[in-house]
Amino acid sequence: SQELEQSPQSLIVQEGKNLTINCTSSKTLYGLYWYKQKYGEGLIFLMMLQKGGEEKSHEKITAKLDEKKQQSSLHITASQPSHAGIYLCGADYTGGFKTIFGAGTRLFVKA
Amino acid sequence: GAGVSQTPSNKVTEKGKYVELRCDPISGHTALYWYRQSLGQGPEFLIYFQGTGAADDSGLPNDRFFAVRPEGSVSTLKIQRTERGDSAVYLCASNSGQGGTGELFFGEGSRLTVL
Repeated sequence: SQELEQSPQSLIVQEGKNLTINCTSSKTLYGLYWYKQKYGEGLIFLMMLQKGGEEKSHEKITAKLDEKKQQSSLHITASQPSHAGIYLCGADYTGGFKTIFGAGTRLFVKA
Repeated sequence: GAGVSQTPSNKVTEKGKYVELRCDPISGHTALYWYRQSLGQGPEFLIYFQGTGAADDSGLPNDRFFAVRPEGSVSTLKIQRTERGDSAVYLCASNSGQGGTGELFFGEGSRLTVL
């Protein structure tokens, strides 16, 4: 979706390194979702952010929504091979029932 | 079943043929969504059901695409006169449909290849 831009498109990191993935919306978000997808599989929900400035963590993954609710970052600390996959951000613009997804960031972790 | 189930997992068809893709959502989930994911892209919204009715079908690309959910559970996505550009992974998701999108529970998808 052009409303939602993810960067970088792909990322290769050495195991143990930290990394950040960004998601930028062209308009104010009602909610922002992060999902992970492994090749040939469906999407797995990671976390949802709704309030400006909100930050959530799950194991070694932390996501934050900026105060203006137009940008989110996902940070992985001490990356592991199990973190490899496609990270997708999803936007809810209306509090309704449709999630619009970005193109994804492909993460590769070298052992 | 415990999760969202999609069949077939793979479908190869010839241009011009008719195709049906089936989705069995998590039991009790009233909302059901269809997405299409092309290679290297994020999922593209197609249609959303709340119960038996299509609440938002704004993502269906043209009138060759149609989806039904007659009993408010299983849904079928139907594609007529398939074209090579229809080749993609078709993802189904469901959730409780309570107050905003919420977490979506996805199936593993049906990979459609149109030759």
